[in-house]
Amino acid sequence: DADVTQTPRNRITKTGKRIMLECSQTKGHDRMYWYRQDPGLGLRLIYYSFDVKDINKGEISDGYSVSRQAQAKFSLSLESAIPNQTALYFCATSDHQGGSSYEQYFGPGTRLTVT
Amino acid sequence: EDQVTQSPEALRLQEGESSSLNCSYTVSGLRGLFWYRQDPGKGPEFLFTLYSAGEEKEKERLKATLTKKESFLHITAPKPEDSATYLCAVLYFGNEKLTFGTGTRLTIIP
Repeated sequence: DADVTQTPRNRITKTGKRIMLECSQTKGHDRMYWYRQDPGLGLRLIYYSFDVKDINKGEISDGYSVSRQAQAKFSLSLESAIPNQTALYFCATSDHQGGSSYEQYFGPGTRLTVT
Repeated sequence: EDQVTQSPEALRLQEGESSSLNCSYTVSGLRGLFWYRQDPGKGPEFLFTLYSAGEEKEKERLKATLTKKESFLHITAPKPEDSATYLCAVLYFGNEKLTFGTGTRLTIIP
């Protein structure tokens, strides 16, 4: 089974709809992240969480919100979807407990299309 | 502003033709440099972490090296299955977030 899972894998929604993307991990990592990827722009950080009680905005948080329901679960919501939020969304995790190496591990991605 | 620049943007090689990809970064305060491989429509796959100038890591046909200003990903005798986008990311001291480059799209022609 995959260590980092994302649901749904593909989603088409209409402008103005609220949508939630979910991420779960079995790696036991403390930190979780949400990124979006657009052609030519690379990966951009939306939100990140160092633990259940710690949520931080990334470089492009406007129009998004997150919830860290448990150490293993981190969800991303689009409150009112707009077409320029059409992108590939990735969840990632990293382990910063006890002298770790900081690399991030990514889920398989969610392809979101807003019409 | 933290910057990570990868070059070239795209590279086409014949099978067996060795080459190198470049990742340059802002000079001061590097905590770690990371290489990832990404196949189309999939999540980035972690390859290597480098921490200090002079460090090298190898995996199959790939070798990553680090200097004080840049990192190279050397690909020796590549095969078509090495075709992918290779991403570089940097973590600086005092900043808990990775900064990603936009990647090099590598195509190996049989």
